[in-house]
Amino acid sequence: DTGVSQDPRHKITKRGQNVTFRCDPISEHNRLYWYRQTLGQGPEFLTYFQNEAQLEKSRLLSDRFSAERPKGSFSTLEIQRTEQGDSAMYLCASSFIPGQPNTEAFFGQGTRLTVV
Amino acid sequence: GIQVEQSPPDLILQEGANSTLRCNFSDSVNNLQWFHQNPWGQLINLFYIPSGTKQNGRLSATTVATERYSLLYISSSQTTDSGVYFCAVSTSSNTGKLIFGQGTTLQVKP
Repeated sequence: DTGVSQDPRHKITKRGQNVTFRCDPISEHNRLYWYRQTLGQGPEFLTYFQNEAQLEKSRLLSDRFSAERPKGSFSTLEIQRTEQGDSAMYLCASSFIPGQPNTEAFFGQGTRLTVV
Repeated sequence: GIQVEQSPPDLILQEGANSTLRCNFSDSVNNLQWFHQNPWGQLINLFYIPSGTKQNGRLSATTVATERYSLLYISSSQTTDSGVYFCAVSTSSNTGKLIFGQGTTLQVKP
């Protein structure tokens, strides 16, 4: 397994446009997370999937944000009508192999979004 | 919710020096991880250490869960150690959601 993979690595978009990011987790993991990181801050939790079910969403995830994990494998994060305040690094992580106690999370390279 | 505080916020070292980074947390945790964020933004796993002591080369970490803190030791620092170090904790084994500290920015000068 090559680890958690995110695409694209960088995205520049105009305000008001929609953007979609993809995350491919480690294949054995059934938990998938999205985090957002702004300059000078630690990553902040956005949402969590166990298999295909979205089980938790942060208050940071406004109505313009939607995430899916349709087959319990890869996930997409869509931002509609982007605003300059959405500019950030979006990080995906995966963890947990059922039946094993280790819950160590592994992160992808991130997608850096710039809204102009 | 749980609070995670890292200290110091910034640290400048000469190459070869040793350092200790601290992470305090305000509640019981079932997971604690240390990460190094590289210049391109990726979080590199250093330690998964909800309790006890681990060592990996020049790095070691200790978590004293009962006293709610963890320490990351860097010995014989190198310029490649520069970057931001994050501590992250989870209070829920059901979700594994991580709460991050604000990070310690380390600069190692040659």
